[in-house]
Amino acid sequence: GESVGLHLPTLSVQEGDNSIINCAYSNSASDYFIWYKQESGKGPQFIIDIRSNMDKRQGQRVTVLLNKTVKHLSLQIAATQPGDSAVYFCAENGAGNQFYFGTGTSLTVIP
Amino acid sequence: DAMVIQNPRYQVTQFGKPVTLSCSQTLNHNVMYWYQQKSSQAPKLLFHYYDKDFNNEADTPDNFQSRRPNTSFCFLDIRSPGLGDAAMYLCATSRGAPGQGVGYTFGSGTRLTVV
Repeated sequence: GESVGLHLPTLSVQEGDNSIINCAYSNSASDYFIWYKQESGKGPQFIIDIRSNMDKRQGQRVTVLLNKTVKHLSLQIAATQPGDSAVYFCAENGAGNQFYFGTGTSLTVIP
Repeated sequence: DAMVIQNPRYQVTQFGKPVTLSCSQTLNHNVMYWYQQKSSQAPKLLFHYYDKDFNNEADTPDNFQSRRPNTSFCFLDIRSPGLGDAAMYLCATSRGAPGQGVGYTFGSGTRLTVV
């Protein structure tokens, strides 16, 4: 089946720095990707999405980049704040009508 | 505010004793999902309802069942909980089926402990 994996299980950044969280996916037929943020004890929260006909999409302080050639997805958070500390998951709508989640990256922001 | 509500937030059940988790939504979304999330792992889809149509994942154990009596409510039944079923159970909804490019709205989850 499809798999979505993350390169780094943990990431620590200084407050104010930019964060980059990476994700690799295996299903070249996937056409829609979402980044979720999950704080401790809460359900995942939608951050930003991107369709496969785009290679970049920007939101408020966040940017998602999609490289279909190497099947790589990244989430960039500008001026990281303590409130950004959470686990971040990438997820894809694969061809099998199933939503797959990656392993997750735990982001810790150091004040 | 429209939302997805899961009750209870914390549930303790005895080994082998049936337990039901509930989810309700005010979003009028036609698709509802149940995910299992174990500690430090990604959410794993158990099944989903597209309207009244039930869609089970191939690797979901028979011990897990679901009911959707109406658009707003969906239940997860664990017939004989084992210690390995201790997890956070997440309910999610969406306006369309997976693959149509719509995202989910998640509830806050129910953390199940099996003793």
